[in-house]
Amino acid sequence: AQRVTQPEKLLSVFKGAPVELKCNYSYSGSPELFWYVQYSRQRLQLLLRHISRESIKGFTADLNKGETSFHLKKPFAQEEDSAMYYCALRIQGAQKLVFGQGTRLTINP
Amino acid sequence: KAGVTQTPRYLIKTRGQQVTLSCSPISGHRSVSWYQQTPGQGLQFLFEYFSETQRNKGNFPGRFSGRQFSNSRSEMNVSTLELGDSALYLCASSPLQGGTDTQYFGPGTRLTVL
Repeated sequence: AQRVTQPEKLLSVFKGAPVELKCNYSYSGSPELFWYVQYSRQRLQLLLRHISRESIKGFTADLNKGETSFHLKKPFAQEEDSAMYYCALRIQGAQKLVFGQGTRLTINP
Repeated sequence: KAGVTQTPRYLIKTRGQQVTLSCSPISGHRSVSWYQQTPGQGLQFLFEYFSETQRNKGNFPGRFSGRQFSNSRSEMNVSTLELGDSALYLCASSPLQGGTDTQYFGPGTRLTVL
């Protein structure tokens, strides 16, 4: 069965410090991974996806098939990064996303 | 373009009643997916519609159903409501054209079952 695991429910770092939000997945097919973010009182929105291999708002994520991981990283955290982050796996050939439980990131000034 | 809209935004029902939630996708988007979000289970996929046909279904009981109209608007219905159906119901639309399949989420409908 497909599964996405985000081991940290809460993560707190200081402004300017590096951030890493962990995501591991279990899927027998060809994985397509995403990171979604939900800022306070806003809707869920796509942050980045592994196939685009781009950096959004300073965040990057690399798909590691050997470790079945898709960790989200940012070298220098900013206060506006405080939000709920969800890692998601798209089931091959479908518009079905399997989400992790989410990590609430808090950036302290 | 206007984003995905969902109505109503808040709803209070009692056990045993039924409820219908509505989702209007972004103009031109043909795929609509529904998700249930609860504190305990997180975000869970309910179903997806494309061109008025249900293409995928999550692991939910038959009390949960949906449909899509010719203008791509979608509704989901929950019959015989249970307390555990209290949740935020999210709708997401996707164009599924030109290789673009990103899902854009609506603000959600908060359902409370008393």
